[in-house]
Amino acid sequence: GQNIDQPTEMTATEGAIVQINCTYQTSGFNGLFWYQQHAGEAPTFLSYNVLDGLEEKGRFSSFLSRSKGYSYLLLKELQMKDSASYLCAVRGDSWGKLQFGAGTQVVVTP
Amino acid sequence: EAGVAQSPRYKIIEKRQSVAFWCNPISGHATLYWYQQILGQGPKLLIQFQNNGVVDDSQLPKDRFSAERLKGVDSTLKIQPAKLEDSAVYLCASSLGVSTGDYEQYFGPGTRLTVT
Repeated sequence: GQNIDQPTEMTATEGAIVQINCTYQTSGFNGLFWYQQHAGEAPTFLSYNVLDGLEEKGRFSSFLSRSKGYSYLLLKELQMKDSASYLCAVRGDSWGKLQFGAGTQVVVTP
Repeated sequence: EAGVAQSPRYKIIEKRQSVAFWCNPISGHATLYWYQQILGQGPKLLIQFQNNGVVDDSQLPKDRFSAERLKGVDSTLKIQPAKLEDSAVYLCASSLGVSTGDYEQYFGPGTRLTVT
């Protein structure tokens, strides 16, 4: 089975940086995804890591350490529109099946 | 490019009634997923199709839930009879598929089910 843990909620100020950690225990590993989900909307893809290291995409970066079962999503220059739930998901097998964490609710304050 | 379509967007039923949800994936996407997302939780995979075949339905409560993708395109998910704990958002997602190595999943807007 798989276990994916991430904090329930984080609060940060507009313009600041927030780091959302995700730890996982899986029987297999074929990649880690981060999704953004605004209230009442569908998840949208943010990033994908399969090798160790940092992937940067604009204001968002994602890091992976497979040996530690650890990833983080870094959100820089926070904007009010970044207030959302951020979901960490692990693909444990080759069929694309994702196991999601419960999500981290990020609240951006003025 | 049109996204994943789902209907209805909202549904309210009484317990023990039946309900069906419909999903039309992005054109050309071979893999289709149905997820259940209970409030405050991440999506949980119910069933995964590769074309019209089932790849994984290990978390589908088969005594009351069923799903089909007869022509390998659109899909329906049915609950019969519904229970109070089935209240959730049902998300459909699609991806190009295993053979292409493209696993990014695109989600539809979801159907919010309330069972009273």
